[in-house]
This record gives sequence, structure tokens and C-alpha cells, in this order.
Amino acid sequence: DQQVKQNSPSLSVQEGRISILNCDYTNSMFDYFLWYKKYPAEGPTFLISISSIKDKNEDGRFTVFLNKSAKHLSLHIVPSQPGDSAVYFCAASALNSGNTPLVFGKGTRLSVIA
Amino acid sequence: KAGVTQTPRYLIKTRGQQVTLSCSPISGHRSVSWYQQTPGQGLQFLFEYFSETQRNKGNFPGRFSGRQFSNSRSEMNVSTLELGDSALYLCASSLPRGGYNEQFFGPGTRLTVL
Repeated sequence: DQQVKQNSPSLSVQEGRISILNCDYTNSMFDYFLWYKKYPAEGPTFLISISSIKDKNEDGRFTVFLNKSAKHLSLHIVPSQPGDSAVYFCAASALNSGNTPLVFGKGTRLSVIA
Repeated sequence: KAGVTQTPRYLIKTRGQQVTLSCSPISGHRSVSWYQQTPGQGLQFLFEYFSETQRNKGNFPGRFSGRQFSNSRSEMNVSTLELGDSALYLCASSLPRGGYNEQFFGPGTRLTVL
């Protein structure tokens, strides 16, 4: 069963507008969440993370929001740029339960249209 | 610092053959994890090695195995290849304390099984 779900396989956004990528999880032991970005022919690169003790983390144009009660997190990109076009993976870990491997979602392909 | 390198980048094999993939982590990184990426399943954790010992293992059959050498380089082996093994195999390394939240990925090896 999928413990981390990204229900939108793809998303198209106009340049300059906001991109919102969503992620849901089922395991209540998850306490650390990450977003990775992946371009074709490259490995995923770390984008931003959030601990379960926070509900928001910002880094430049990227903000991640965490709603623990809903087991939902989202990545906001404002403003979206054509270079943001990539596949975005949400990942989760149960750090406080020991060094457990990351569990990834299936990814959302973001296309930013100029 | 050089990034994570993986060789070969592309590989074509036939069913029943075996294959060995190689990963060189970032200098100073002692933890190496392997993932399989397929369009249908996203990134799935295969196993992790730390100081030449397998520390975690995902839910894959015994045909998938790995090892790590004293210089932290790692190899993974897949025996008796099946069509469903066609995937992008990603290697990730992390800092000496081996936190999954600090993984750096290589570009991957694209394996095609005919």
C-alpha cells in the first residue's frame, strides 16, 4: 500500500503564477518530510524539508506547508518559472523511530508554460 | 566536491542474465542507498549500506543484492533478470552519520531488459 501519495501525476501552470503540489501520507509515525526535484537524465535533488514540529518552512520561492491532522503537505512555488519544470517527489521518514528509509510518492510532473 | 557517480549510465540486458551496477559516493559519505524508479511505482527503496554492512532492506526479492567496499563504493547486483526489472536505478549517499534526510543522488543507471 502507498504510504505517501501524490494524487496528481501532472500539473501545468502559467509562468509567474503559483504552483501548488500536494502530498498525502498515511503513516502517523512519519515526522520528517522532504521534497525533491528531478530533471530528465539526472538524479533527484533536495529542494526543501519540514519537521513535524513545524507547519511551514520557506526557502526563497519555495514554501512547504504541513497539516498533521489531515496528514497532508503541499509545496508552493511562487512565482513559477520555466526552469521549475520537472518531476517533484514528496518523501517522508520516521526519524524519531530510528534511521528509517525515505518513502517516496510517485511524483508530480510540473510544466511551467512561458 | 564531485557528486555521486554511477556506472554505467545505460545498460541493455536480456531476460535471465545478471547485471552489476556501480556507485561511487561523495567523498566522505559512508552511507549508500539504492532505489528503483519506475513510472508506475515511483522511487522504491532497495537497500542501504553503511560501513560495509547492510543496514536496511526494502521489499524486493532476493535476486536483488548489494555490497559496499571499504572505500564506501557500492555495487548492486540483479540476477535472473525479468522484464519488470527495467527501471532507473538510483544511488544516493549521505553524510557520515547516515541520515536519510541528507541524501545526495547520482544520475542513475537506466536498465532495459529485453
